[in-house]
This record gives sequence, structure tokens and C-alpha cells, in this order.
Amino acid sequence: AQSVAQPEDQVNVAEGNPLTVKCTYSVSGNPYLFWYVQYPNRGLQFLLKYITGDNLVKGSYGFEAEFNKSQTSFHLKKPSALVSDSALYFCAVSEYGNKLVFGAGTILRVKS
Amino acid sequence: DAGVIQSPRHEVTEMGQEVTLRCKPISGHNSLFWYRQTMMRGLELLIYFNNNVPIDDSGMPEDRFSAKMPNASFSTLKIQPSEPRDSAVYFCASTLSGNTIYFGEGSWLTVV
Repeated sequence: AQSVAQPEDQVNVAEGNPLTVKCTYSVSGNPYLFWYVQYPNRGLQFLLKYITGDNLVKGSYGFEAEFNKSQTSFHLKKPSALVSDSALYFCAVSEYGNKLVFGAGTILRVKS
Repeated sequence: DAGVIQSPRHEVTEMGQEVTLRCKPISGHNSLFWYRQTMMRGLELLIYFNNNVPIDDSGMPEDRFSAKMPNASFSTLKIQPSEPRDSAVYFCASTLSGNTIYFGEGSWLTVV
């Protein structure tokens, strides 16, 4: 069965600094990997996905993620954080593109 | 594109009452998911449908929960009778054949 670990409950970063939100996964087949963001009292918004191809995936709002098969990781990154990036971030994995299994989520706080 | 539409957005009901949550997936999508989000358990998949047929309902917590998808444009999640521990945010999501899964804004359920 697939699973996702987000080892940090919260990440704090200063505005303008680079940010990284960590994610590791476990899946028996080829992984489909996703990042979603949730703002307070809102649904989950899709940021980016990796299915195949280039290990560096670019997504919405300047976010990117790097797929590392040997480390089974899919960390979310952004070169320069904005206060408006503060939200709850979820990493998710699926096998064959069907149901998603989510990590516990990481709260990102960007301070000005 | 209207996105995934859920209703009601907020519901407060008394213990023992029947609750019906509704979802209209994105037009043309052939898979639909119901997720539940709580502080304690995070995001859990309750059930998912493919071409209106339930494929995996292993996440449905009890017989009090039931879900239907009578056609490609409508699904319901019913809780009868409701209990305080059912208080959560219930998300509906849809996708086309393993592509990106898009979420609705959620139904905030409080059972008192």
C-alpha cells in the first residue's frame, strides 16, 4: 500500500528566502506524486505533479518540486517565499493515477 | 469551468439526524472521490467511483455512511444517523482517467 510522510509539522521562513517542504513516499509501482495547498476554510488547490519525465517539475505560483527516486522523495521548493504562501501543504501519492493517499500536511509560515 | 461543486458548504445538525452531502463533479470527469478531513486523522479517502460504479469503499467508517452516484454529474454522501464524531470537513473531488484530481471547497459538518 502506498504512503506519504511529511516529517515537519511546520516550516518557518522569512519572506524572500528560499523554502523547502519535505515529502517522502512509499509505493510498490511507479509513483504519481502531487502537491496541494490548502488555505484556511478552503478546499485543496493543485500545485504540481510528477508522473514521468524530467525530475524537476514546475508548478503554480512559482513552486517546483524535485523527484528523487533513490531517496523516494518529492520535496516542494520555491526560490523566494512570499507572505501569501503561508498555508497548509499536502504531498500525495497514487499508484496508476487513481486514488490519492495524502501526507499529514505541513504548515508553512512566511514572516515579513 | 465551474470546478467541483459541493453543497451545503456548512451544516449544523443534531445527533441522530440524517445528513446528505451533495457533489457535482467537473463535466467530463469519470472518477469521483469523497474524502474526510479531521485534525486527528488528516485526509482520509472514504470512497471512490469510476464511471459511476463504486470501486473502493474500504474507507467508509461504518454502515451509517453510504454514498451513491446515480449519474455522471451527481453524487451524494449520506450519514444516518449522524454522531458528534462525524464532525469534519467532507471533500468531493473528481478527475479524468488518472489525471489531476480537483477538489471542491468542502462541506463543513458539525454534529451537536
